[in-house]
Amino acid sequence: GEDVEQSLFLSVREGDSSVINCTYTDSSSTYLYWYKQEPGAGLQLLTYIFSNMDMKQDQRLTVLLNKKDKHLSLRIADTQTGDSAIYFCAESGYQKVTFGTGTKLQVIP
Amino acid sequence: NAGVMQNPRHLVRRRGQEARLRCSPMKGHSHVYWYRQLPEEGLKFMVYLQKENIIDESGMPKERFSAEFPKEGPSILRIQQVVRGDSAAYFCASSPELSGTLGNTIYFGEGSWLTVV
Repeated sequence: GEDVEQSLFLSVREGDSSVINCTYTDSSSTYLYWYKQEPGAGLQLLTYIFSNMDMKQDQRLTVLLNKKDKHLSLRIADTQTGDSAIYFCAESGYQKVTFGTGTKLQVIP
Repeated sequence: NAGVMQNPRHLVRRRGQEARLRCSPMKGHSHVYWYRQLPEEGLKFMVYLQKENIIDESGMPKERFSAEFPKEGPSILRIQQVVRGDSAAYFCASSPELSGTLGNTIYFGEGSWLTVV
């Protein structure tokens, strides 16, 4: 079945770049997503990339996709304290979206 | 256009009681998904429903859990005879079509936090 893996924790200093990595197993994935979850809240879709793209940039966010290695990354430029949250990588195959375990990003002022 | 509405946001149940979680999808959405997030864990797919049909329930525990999405009214996730291990956040999501076809059109509710004491 589908599997999505992420590292559990990342700590960065305010103003630095953050890079959150994700690997997935489903080669038939059509879309890959990054969601943000703040404490006690639901999931907010940050960005997504179609599987035939290798990069997408949206303001401070850059998504890189290496389809051959099934590796997805999210880069947050100029990380702010408000970026502290859990970031979920997800992939959509047929009929459902499969999520990773989430990476908790801690931003140190 | 209201988003995905879940209620209650917080629910406390004693062991052995029943928990009912409700989800109203976004207007125009006919597909509903339920996910469970255990403490310090990621989101696990539970069930995918369309109106009056269960499409994929491969993530649902075999006993005590059921879900429905009637023709009228919200989707309901029902947990009978709750145990402490059921304590989690339950998220509902909706989309107008198959999530894999239009990608970014899956929207999440704010979640229902179940605590079993």
